Amino acid sequence: NAGVTQTPKFRILKIGQSMTLQCTQDMNHNYMYWYRQDPGMGLKLIYYSVGAGITDKGEVPNGYNVSRSTTEDFPLRLELAAPSQTSVYFCASSYEGRVEQFFGPGTRLTVL
Amino acid sequence: RKEVEQDPGPFNVPEGATVAFNCTYSNSASQSFFWYRQDCRKEPKLLMSVYSSGNEDGRFTAQLNRASQYISLLIRDSKLSDSATYLCVVRSNFGNEKLTFGTGTRLTIIP
Repeated sequence: NAGVTQTPKFRILKIGQSMTLQCTQDMNHNYMYWYRQDPGMGLKLIYYSVGAGITDKGEVPNGYNVSRSTTEDFPLRLELAAPSQTSVYFCASSYEGRVEQFFGPGTRLTVL
Repeated sequence: RKEVEQDPGPFNVPEGATVAFNCTYSNSASQSFFWYRQDCRKEPKLLMSVYSSGNEDGRFTAQLNRASQYISLLIRDSKLSDSATYLCVVRSNFGNEKLTFGTGTRLTIIP
């Protein structure tokens, strides 16, 4: 099993550009999450999903959108990139009713 | 007050020593508690869950004090490979798997 995979690993965007961060898991987990981690800060939940077709906002959803059309995939969309969105983005997944979250390797995004 | 607070460190500890760090949480309704480990520029990984009765996994011991709302992690006979950031994580709503992460405590083991 590959676990949770994320692409790209690194990306530099200009202000106002858009992009999609990809996340895929092969563990058949129902729950998937997107976090951002800023230097010296804890992980902040952006969006999460409890199953295909169901998504909900986390703590810091502004400027992002998500979709969950399949169990495996949970892409995160940035529509109008801003410098404040410079961060490391982690996707995670977990079994329904289980508590351990498995994280992908992260995407380092810089917005200039 | 932050929902989960940790001393950011850094803790610089000689190899073989014992080190302990605490984490406090503000929501008395918190249900589940965990320590995650994050290596430099890597993703977080679950180190251990924290149970009310306390629990041990090899050189690692985790304890929970609900009355004072803190969680502790003790590492005995520290190894160079223990160098990492340790994240205190709390789940507040039973049945809801959203987690709140502390900012982490950075530990460096010195040869």
